[in-house]
Amino acid sequence: GENVEQHPSTLSVQEGDSAVIKCTYSDSASNYFPWYKQELGKRPQLIIDIRSNVGEKKDQRIAVTLNKTAKHFSLHITETQPEDSAVYFCAGNGAGSYQLTFGKGTKLSVIP
Amino acid sequence: DVKVTQSSRYLVKRTGEKVFLECVQDMDHENMFWYRQDPGLGLRLIYFSYDVKMKEKGDIPEGYSVSREKKERFSLILESASTNQTSMYLCASSSLTDTQYFGPGTRLTVL
Repeated sequence: GENVEQHPSTLSVQEGDSAVIKCTYSDSASNYFPWYKQELGKRPQLIIDIRSNVGEKKDQRIAVTLNKTAKHFSLHITETQPEDSAVYFCAGNGAGSYQLTFGKGTKLSVIP
Repeated sequence: DVKVTQSSRYLVKRTGEKVFLECVQDMDHENMFWYRQDPGLGLRLIYFSYDVKMKEKGDIPEGYSVSREKKERFSLILESASTNQTSMYLCASSSLTDTQYFGPGTRLTVL
């Protein structure tokens, strides 16, 4: 099955700086890669996703890049704000299935 | 707006009890999922269902079973709760477009 590894496990940045979280996946048939944000005590919520037919996708301060050859994808947050502090999870769908395999999460702290 | 609800936010049970966790979605989604979330381990899939009365084992199904009698409802059952099942349980649903929407979670403590 799919295996997704996520790095780093914790990340601290100064407000206004950029943050980058990286994930690798094992199943070359994976074609859907979502990113979820989970604030303390709340449910994970989708913030951006990318499919294997594109290399990059942007939504305001958030972007995701995908390198299918190297089997890795990354989340980029620019101009970070304190409200970006949360745990972020990446995932891959393995063999194009409906099932998602999640990374272990990155705790992002934005220091004012 | 997608709505996924779970029957309880917090639950305390004793070892050996039978526990039911219920999840309801209102978007007519085909797929439903149960995960457990533990610190440092991320989200791990217990079971999922892609249709009424259909179920598939995820990565950690031992000690759990599920039931899906209606499309909107997916239940997770702990036949005999044990202390190592103390965790946060998250339900999710999706249509055929892959995006999963999560419920608020149930924090289960087994004493």
